[in-house]
Amino acid sequence: DQQVKQNSPSLSVQEGRISILNCDYTNSMFDYFLWYKKYPAEGPTFLISISSIKDKNEDGRFTVFLNKSAKHLSLHIVPSQPGDSAVYFCAASWGQGGSEKLVFGKGTKLTVNP
Amino acid sequence: DSGVTQTPKHLITATGQRVTLRCSPRSGDLSVYWYQQSLDQGLQFLIQYYNGEERAKGNILERFSAQQFPDLHSELNLSSLELGDSALYFCASSVRPRRANEQFFGPGTRLTVL
Repeated sequence: DQQVKQNSPSLSVQEGRISILNCDYTNSMFDYFLWYKKYPAEGPTFLISISSIKDKNEDGRFTVFLNKSAKHLSLHIVPSQPGDSAVYFCAASWGQGGSEKLVFGKGTKLTVNP
Repeated sequence: DSGVTQTPKHLITATGQRVTLRCSPRSGDLSVYWYQQSLDQGLQFLIQYYNGEERAKGNILERFSAQQFPDLHSELNLSSLELGDSALYFCASSVRPRRANEQFFGPGTRLTVL
């Protein structure tokens, strides 16, 4: 049972336009949501996160939106650049007592065309 | 470069064998996490250690075990290997045990079981 789902395996956008990556989750216990970016032959790199008590978090060109009632989050990249081409993983976190579990989606491969 | 090192980079072995993957966390990081990325399952959390103690377990098989040593490096032992164990294994580290946005990933070890 996949608790974090990224339904689009790939996305292609033009340079300068907006990229929107989507993610759905099922577990109400998740209290923190994150996006990671991954280039080939490298480990994932943290991009941006949002706490479950917020609905939006911005960091430069990256904005994450959280809709708790719909159990949905999205990552907006504006404007998209060719260097943003990578696999993007959505992840959700919960834990207690000093432990933490991260559950990842299967990723969306973003291609930004010049 | 995240500061997390993993050895070896690549490992090719046969079914039934046992292997050990090694991870050195970033300097000062006390928490270590292991993840498995396979083609069909995406990134899956296996286990977390904090300052030598096991803190959380995910989808880790009984054939797999891990430990974190006093110098904080960690090893993941995989035994009775099966074809399906072929995957990328990532290690991540963080200063504190509950800061998912502060997890830094290593480059991974690619395990191929023939």
